[in-house]
Amino acid sequence: SQTIHQWPATLVQPVGSPLSLECTVEGTSNPNLYWYRQAAGRGLQLLFYSVGIGQISSEVPQNLSASRPQDRQFILSSKKLLLSDSGFYLCAWSVGSYGYTFGSGTRLTVV
Amino acid sequence: AQKVTQAQTEISVVEKEDVTLDCVYETRDTTYYLFWYKQPPSGELVFLIRRNSFDEQNEISGRYSWNFQKSTSSFNFTITASQVVDSAVYFCALSEQGGSYIPTFGRGTSLIVHP
Repeated sequence: SQTIHQWPATLVQPVGSPLSLECTVEGTSNPNLYWYRQAAGRGLQLLFYSVGIGQISSEVPQNLSASRPQDRQFILSSKKLLLSDSGFYLCAWSVGSYGYTFGSGTRLTVV
Repeated sequence: AQKVTQAQTEISVVEKEDVTLDCVYETRDTTYYLFWYKQPPSGELVFLIRRNSFDEQNEISGRYSWNFQKSTSSFNFTITASQVVDSAVYFCALSEQGGSYIPTFGRGTSLIVHP
């Protein structure tokens, strides 16, 4: 069965520190992978998506970046966090149009 | 232009009431998919339903039902006899063939069911 793992669940980081959030998928090959952010306003903002290894599309310019070093691994990074980077980060995967499965999310607080 | 509109920001009901969450979408594609997700307080988004643009049949799953009407570009979600456990934020989403099936989400509707 397909599963998605996302960690850590919660993270408190000081302003200016680096960030690395990891997401891995099991049980499927060549999935589309996504990073979303959900701020306090509740809406889901698509940050990055990837249709294959090394292929990253950015939806919103900001100080975050994403990488896909392996088929089922998706990493969200930042060199220097800002207060505005606080939020709930969700990783998701899909194959074709058959729905999207989300990870359990990482709640990031930048202090 | 917003492609998925969930006009209801928050709905509050008392247990056992029926409640309908509205979703209006906009697309020029003839092939597209619509989804509903539930986000309980724990935060994880839970898939509820997927409907393709060629299937306008309404669907019922237990206390949940969905009404897809292409004529009004709506995909509404009804919970019958609501329960406290239904309290969550519900998201409607659209993915289009022309958009590589990258989903666009509505802003969500927060449903609060009081005992």
